[in-house]
Amino acid sequence: GEDVEQSLFLSVREGDSSVINCTYTDSSSTYLYWYKQEPGAGLQLLTYIFSNMDMKQDQRLTVLLNKKDKHLSLRIADTQTGDSAIYFCAESSGGKLIFGQGTELSVKP
Amino acid sequence: KAGVTQTPRYLIKTRGQQVTLSCSPISGHRSVSWYQQTPGQGLQFLFEYFSETQRNKGNFPGRFSGRQFSNSRSEMNVSTLELGDSALYLCASSPRDRVYEQYFGPGTRLTVT
Repeated sequence: GEDVEQSLFLSVREGDSSVINCTYTDSSSTYLYWYKQEPGAGLQLLTYIFSNMDMKQDQRLTVLLNKKDKHLSLRIADTQTGDSAIYFCAESSGGKLIFGQGTELSVKP
Repeated sequence: KAGVTQTPRYLIKTRGQQVTLSCSPISGHRSVSWYQQTPGQGLQFLFEYFSETQRNKGNFPGRFSGRQFSNSRSEMNVSTLELGDSALYLCASSPRDRVYEQYFGPGTRLTVT
């Protein structure tokens, strides 16, 4: 069945790079996504990658996709305290999004 | 452009009551999807509407229903509320030419007592 897994917590120092990892099961997923959720807010679409791509870069964000291992990662360069939030990985499946449980990123000054 | 708006933002209801939540998509977007977010189950897909037709439905009981109007605004209804329906209900809209992009609203926080 469809499943997306992420580690639950990540703590980094301000200025360091953060890498959030995700594994998914649906090999037919066309798009894979990263969303950010701050406390009391909805989901903010950060970036997404088409399944025939290996990498996508967007300013401080780099997405890497290993389709063979069904592994997706999000790298945030020069992490700031404002990046503290929960990050969700999601795969598209049959017109809907299947989300992971979210990774809580804590950025320490 | 204004983002996805959801009303009300907060709602408290009693078990057995029913509730209607509203979602206005980004201007020009015609696809609207609904998701439920709870601490235990995470984010789960409820349903998707496009041009007033339900295109996709998640694995939720029939107490959960929705509809979409000709102006693309959508409502979801939950009847006979249960304590377990307490959740953040999120609505997302997608542009016609990039339906794979889903933009979420701030959500409606429903508490059932």
